[in-house]
Amino acid sequence: SAVISQKPSRDICQRGTSLTIQCQVDSQVTMMFWYRQQPGQSLTLIATANQGSEATYESGFVIDKFPISRPNLTFSTLTVSNMSPEDSSIYLCSVLQFYEQYFGPGTRLTVT
Amino acid sequence: AQSVTQLDSQVPVFEEAPVELRCNYSSSVSVYLFWYVQYPNQGLQLLLKYLSGSTLVKGINGFEAEFNKSQTSFHLRKPSVHISDTAEYFCAVSETGDGKLTFGQGTILTVHP
Repeated sequence: SAVISQKPSRDICQRGTSLTIQCQVDSQVTMMFWYRQQPGQSLTLIATANQGSEATYESGFVIDKFPISRPNLTFSTLTVSNMSPEDSSIYLCSVLQFYEQYFGPGTRLTVT
Repeated sequence: AQSVTQLDSQVPVFEEAPVELRCNYSSSVSVYLFWYVQYPNQGLQLLLKYLSGSTLVKGINGFEAEFNKSQTSFHLRKPSVHISDTAEYFCAVSETGDGKLTFGQGTILTVHP
């Protein structure tokens, strides 16, 4: 099974600033995903990040707000730009490996 | 488009009692189905999955789920719960198996002594 780590585990940020979240996987994977879990809500897919191509964003999410990098098969970053309190959420990195989806521990973001 | 409905937002039970967490999905095509558990302040852990084959799926920690295509359901069951099963449980569906999951709203299972 894939082991995923995320940095930072949590952060408190001021509105208008940006935060970059890192996701590291212990094995090479083709597909990586970023999900958001707003307080008291379920998980929503933000985008799919494949190495060597532009990320694919789901409806309601745009690259200017959530730019993603995928420089290699074990690493990805998600940036939350120009943050507002509505961006306060847990952001989770996920990978698909042999039809199983593994999730990182999440980054708990609070925007004040 | 696919969707998932978890019929109970909270389920309280006593220790050693059986439990069923209900999940219904909507999709126009064949689906893959998953149950995840999220313990307090932890990430998601896969409990079990249905990809094809036998409709009764056994997972970790004594949980099992049954896929019912006619009722478009994938209910999670455990015959005897423990205090340590207290957590939030998410049902999820994928139409394509490409990692894009649609999650239900979650069910908080609270096991009382």
